[in-house]
Amino acid sequence: LAKTTQPISMDSYEGQEVNITCSHNNIATNDYITWYQQFPSQGPRFIIQGYKTKVTNEVASLFIPADRKSSTLSLPRVSLSDTAVYYCLVGDGNTGFQKLVFGTGTRLLVSP
Amino acid sequence: NAGVTQTPKFRVLKTGQSMTLLCAQDMNHEYMYWYRQDPGMGLRLIHYSVGEGTTAKGEVPDGYNVSRLKKQNFLLGLESAAPSQTSVYFCASRLVQETGELFFGEGSRLTVL
Repeated sequence: LAKTTQPISMDSYEGQEVNITCSHNNIATNDYITWYQQFPSQGPRFIIQGYKTKVTNEVASLFIPADRKSSTLSLPRVSLSDTAVYYCLVGDGNTGFQKLVFGTGTRLLVSP
Repeated sequence: NAGVTQTPKFRVLKTGQSMTLLCAQDMNHEYMYWYRQDPGMGLRLIHYSVGEGTTAKGEVPDGYNVSRLKKQNFLLGLESAAPSQTSVYFCASRLVQETGELFFGEGSRLTVL
């Protein structure tokens, strides 16, 4: 099982850049890395996905080194509304990308 | 296009009662999932399905049963509810390919007294 490990929590201030790293040592060769954001009382929602190197969209960037054993979600200039729990997700090496098990996630608190 | 819809959104049960949570998706997704989330905790996979008529166990399947008789619906059943099953239940669906993102419902809050 491709388990992920993230910091339990992080604190930041408005306007700062936040980098959340996820470790996934046993990621399968064909698996993608996906990050989700969850606000209280809501289901997680997709932020960004990547396979290798760097991916950027309108809300975040995702950095993946060549060995793909980790990934870093980068949130530029965070605001109070970015306070949420962030999960990185990879597939199960045995069932491919069918069985999707979430890790503990990182609770990000953004203060004024 | 409603996405993923969960029914009911709230329910209170007494210990030993049974109930079924319904998840419906209108995106023609092959894969569907049931997760539970306890207060302040992460999501734990209960059961999942990779197609109509197929189901598989997740991390915490005990005490739950599921059925996927139609592609668009994934039912989660509790035969004899226990207080330990008090939680928020989330359903999700996705396309088959590796890049398919999960689409979540709004959640169903279940309390077992």
